[in-house]
Amino acid sequence: QKEVEQDPGPLSVPEGAIVSLNCTYSNSAFQYFMWYRQYSRKGPELLMYTYSSGNKEDGRFTAQVDKSSKYISLFIRDSQPSDSATYLCAMRALYNTDKLIFGTGTRLQVFP
Amino acid sequence: SAVISQKPSRDICQRGTSLTIQCQVDSQVTMMFWYRQQPGQSLTLIATANQGSEATYESGFVIDKFPISRPNLTFSTLTVSNMSPEDSSIYLCSVEIRGAKNIQYFGAGTRLSVL
Repeated sequence: QKEVEQDPGPLSVPEGAIVSLNCTYSNSAFQYFMWYRQYSRKGPELLMYTYSSGNKEDGRFTAQVDKSSKYISLFIRDSQPSDSATYLCAMRALYNTDKLIFGTGTRLQVFP
Repeated sequence: SAVISQKPSRDICQRGTSLTIQCQVDSQVTMMFWYRQQPGQSLTLIATANQGSEATYESGFVIDKFPISRPNLTFSTLTVSNMSPEDSSIYLCSVEIRGAKNIQYFGAGTRLSVL
């Protein structure tokens, strides 16, 4: 079993839709949770960063962490064609602060 | 944040040759990392580049195949040695900067194809 599972998609939605992207994980030691966005032929860029459980909102983006279920989500409201990219979740344990564990990424396409 | 310059952006190489990838950062960083990104797979950490000492390699990666240098705080190289088609992948440099613990910034990557 992989430490982090992420549906690879692709996910295709119309402009203006609400998008939900999810990851599950098996390691209860994970404390830091991140979402990266990666455009084609570019490196990943940090989108959201959350410590432990709870919600975090930044503009159209909301990150949720449910440690009891070992489940994290990224919601995108009013999705735009410019949101078309691959979204990678990443996690880090408290005891190994240097190593990020990534999901495989979900490819999202928002069509006009 | 940090601006990361990674060279080359892409290359096509012959089997048995070696390629050195460079990573230059515009600010002093605490940690530098090298990742591999293969289609349909997670980003996989190859090694942590340590300044002035040998890199720390992850399971499945060895120094003879992926020698790494980090002569100062802002520069590192990764060499992919004796390449085979299985080494075809995207190689990414990432950094962690002072005052932004737990946040990694990535370069644009090097797209390598081995024939």
